[in-house]
Amino acid sequence: DAGVTQSPTHLIKTRGQQVTLRCSPISGHKSVSWYQQVLGQGPQFIFQYYEKEERGRGNFPDRFSARQFPNYSSELNVNALLLGDSALYLCASSFQGRDIQYFGAGTRLSVL
Amino acid sequence: SQELEQSPQSLIVQEGKNLTINCTSSKTLYGLYWYKQKYGEGLIFLMMLQKGGEEKSHEKITAKLDEKKQQSSLHITASQPSHAGIYLCGAAFSGTYKYIFGTGTRLKVLA
Repeated sequence: DAGVTQSPTHLIKTRGQQVTLRCSPISGHKSVSWYQQVLGQGPQFIFQYYEKEERGRGNFPDRFSARQFPNYSSELNVNALLLGDSALYLCASSFQGRDIQYFGAGTRLSVL
Repeated sequence: SQELEQSPQSLIVQEGKNLTINCTSSKTLYGLYWYKQKYGEGLIFLMMLQKGGEEKSHEKITAKLDEKKQQSSLHITASQPSHAGIYLCGAAFSGTYKYIFGTGTRLKVLA
């Protein structure tokens, strides 16, 4: 069975641009969560979706948005990119959200 | 404020030595999870603890959760270079779907 897959693996953008990151969960998982990890820190929670509804949101500005599709895959959008948005963006899936999170390999975003 | 405190931040040990990593919360945990991360990669699930006083082992790694469900430790026996990486504790809290991680412990094992 495939694990959590994220695309793209690497991305380079310039300030002010917009970016969309994609995530496919493990088959059977209905919850997808997004995290931002900057160098030297633990992952910071951005969003959690369950059955296409937003169930939790971390302390991120409105420039960050996400959605979950009927097949449970998810997209994370970031508008008006800032240099500080450069990070590893991780997606995790789980059965119901507060249980074991299974992580993808991440998308490394560099904002120049 | 950081809701999960991990210590130490980094650790360098000689191969064969034992070591312990700690994770402390100011709130009662719904569940405590330990993960390992290789630099720049995704997190790999190690163990889950949900009951106060629970202890689990896998190969040379043992994780414990205290009775109050606010402190956990991860102990590695006879460390090997393959144990090197970043160890992260993660937790879910009652009443929220926000999943929190500690700052991580960077482990280096010298051969």
